Amino acid sequence: AQTVTQSQPEMSVQEAETVTLSCTYDTSESDYYLFWYKQPPSRQMILVIRQEAYKQQNATENRFSVNFQKAAKSFSLKISDSQLGDAAMYFCAYRSLNYGGSQGNLIFGKGTKLSVKP
Amino acid sequence: DTGVSQDPRHKITKRGQNVTFRCDPISEHNRLYWYRQTLGQGPEFLTYFQNEAQLEKSRLLSDRFSAERPKGSFSTLEIQRTEQGDSAMYLCASRSTGGKETQYFGPGTRLLVL
Repeated sequence: AQTVTQSQPEMSVQEAETVTLSCTYDTSESDYYLFWYKQPPSRQMILVIRQEAYKQQNATENRFSVNFQKAAKSFSLKISDSQLGDAAMYFCAYRSLNYGGSQGNLIFGKGTKLSVKP
Repeated sequence: DTGVSQDPRHKITKRGQNVTFRCDPISEHNRLYWYRQTLGQGPEFLTYFQNEAQLEKSRLLSDRFSAERPKGSFSTLEIQRTEQGDSAMYLCASRSTGGKETQYFGPGTRLLVL
């Protein structure tokens, strides 16, 4: 079974600085998707960024980028120029492409709570 | 695209009562997922629908839980004889078959069982 581990329960960053959130995963599959979701307090979860495992190029979305190391099974999220609105819980998630074993449900880590200091 | 909606947003009930939650997915999304999120944890998969067919259920979904998706549109999740351990946020997500296959989440229903 696949697992996702986020080893940083809490992180803090100064406004306008850069922060990196860590995520490792365990899988025997070669094709899968990885995601970072953001869950602000009392608000719904939204997608930040996604990475297809077959793509070597790291995904970027404006101030958000990932460092995808497939061999190391590592998938970190870098937030540049942090803003107060970035404060939230961040969840790393894995999705299998093996439809014989799952129907595309996401496997989440426990999350990292990010605080942004003004 | 009005997003995924869930109702109610909050529910307080007494142990032993039955509760039902509703999820309205993004229109034309044929795949629908239910997750449960307890305090300090990431969401955990409960069940999955493709159109009206329930194709997968997690072992977390005990016999007291039942989910339906009549006509492949909205879905309901019912918990019978609620227990204090059922207290959690219940999240619904939907996605389309093609495209980038991203799951879009609703705001969740927070259940408190007293």
